[in-house]
Amino acid sequence: GAGVSQSPRYKVTKRGQDVALRCDPISGHVSLYWYRQALGQGPEFLTYFNYEAQQDKSGLPNDRFSAERPEGSISTLTIQRTEQRDSAMYRCASSLEDRVLSNQPQHFGDGTRLSIL
Amino acid sequence: AQTVTQSQPEMSVQEAETVTLSCTYDTSESDYYLFWYKQPPSRQMILVIRQEAYKQQNATENRFSVNFQKAAKSFSLKISDSQLGDAAMYFCAYVPYNFNKFYFGSGTKLNVKP
Repeated sequence: GAGVSQSPRYKVTKRGQDVALRCDPISGHVSLYWYRQALGQGPEFLTYFNYEAQQDKSGLPNDRFSAERPEGSISTLTIQRTEQRDSAMYRCASSLEDRVLSNQPQHFGDGTRLSIL
Repeated sequence: AQTVTQSQPEMSVQEAETVTLSCTYDTSESDYYLFWYKQPPSRQMILVIRQEAYKQQNATENRFSVNFQKAAKSFSLKISDSQLGDAAMYFCAYVPYNFNKFYFGSGTKLNVKP
């Protein structure tokens, strides 16, 4: 499809395991964002990329969280040594241009529901 | 730190009526952007409307309009002629100028009654 694709849709894993969440943005989109969304809450900014460069990672909760976008397209959010508090919906969004000033909105994916047992 | 507050967790409106969703934000900046996003049960986030802080004129998109009060740091969304398809979670978002970091409020769930 033409939208932002995230995989897996659901991930259930035991505490202490590492997980990798994938985001495939809309083709040609420059900016890519990662958010975490708790149930009944708004998205919480984690990090974003322009092309392959990570511009801001101030929202990553701690050093167990990392993200990469090595070729400026697909991105992976990795959580090491998962904890129960990491359970949430993780959303990816992409935007055609790298500036909020542009008229290009963020397009969100359906998210990955992560559950840590 | 920038914070966005949506004080109405849930609201209801009769079909064809008008409803206003409130949003306030806290910032010391003079230039920034404000957005309203809609998240229907499908969970996809959809941009509804945006406002640049340097523009005094309130943004309008068809049945959606905003009341931007910069001094009061208020950014409410008015939905006219409400339709059943408007039922969703609505999120207000603040973005600092020249930074692509979005701060979202906690959302308002809008119910539309037939």
